[in-house]
Amino acid sequence: DSGVTQTPKHLITATGQRVTLRCSPRSGDLSVYWYQQSLDQGLQFLIQYYNGEERAKGNILERFSAQQFPDLHSELNLSSLELGDSALYFCASSPPGQTQYFGPGTRLTVL
Amino acid sequence: AQSVTQPDIHITVSEGASLELRCNYSYGATPYLFWYVQSPGQGLQLLLKYFSGDTLVQGIKGFEAEFKRSQSSFNLRKPSVHWSDAAEYFCAVEAQGAQKLVFGQGTRLTINP
Repeated sequence: DSGVTQTPKHLITATGQRVTLRCSPRSGDLSVYWYQQSLDQGLQFLIQYYNGEERAKGNILERFSAQQFPDLHSELNLSSLELGDSALYFCASSPPGQTQYFGPGTRLTVL
Repeated sequence: AQSVTQPDIHITVSEGASLELRCNYSYGATPYLFWYVQSPGQGLQLLLKYFSGDTLVQGIKGFEAEFKRSQSSFNLRKPSVHWSDAAEYFCAVEAQGAQKLVFGQGTRLTINP
């Protein structure tokens, strides 16, 4: 158990819909990262937040957005969903400049 | 930009045999290097990491990895595999200060009884 929690574990929805994935980092970690794992793209970095502020951005679509709240939990919002958005979404957390520890992931299926 | 190559998509070894999983990276300086393991339906678990210092790094579950600067490699090894080692293994790099991990495509390990 890494100490990073993600909810829900599974999410099934339809094209065009919007969903929110939630992540609670390890106690004391200020950084939260989001990654997407898909069969065709592999594991890709989406975005990082540090203490409530966006710190780094990767291959994140404009339909996707994230935020980190004052209690340090983070949410990844995915809108206008397409079939190709079906993937495993991971959250990771770390102290500044340290190793990232990953949560169990949320499996999103878009039908 | 950094990149990571894991040349072997799938490896099969017999239980008790030795294992080496290859990882090559492309980056101008020495990055931070990691190996993660993903069991079916599970998240990513950190096996070991290299930041600096001794180029032979020990990790959990009996794994070790050796950083070779001249070859831009960070290969993962285990002297004797167990059936429970069957999983997908990911090598990752982080440019110092880059705040993100770049992953290889993964190597799926199958263990024959």
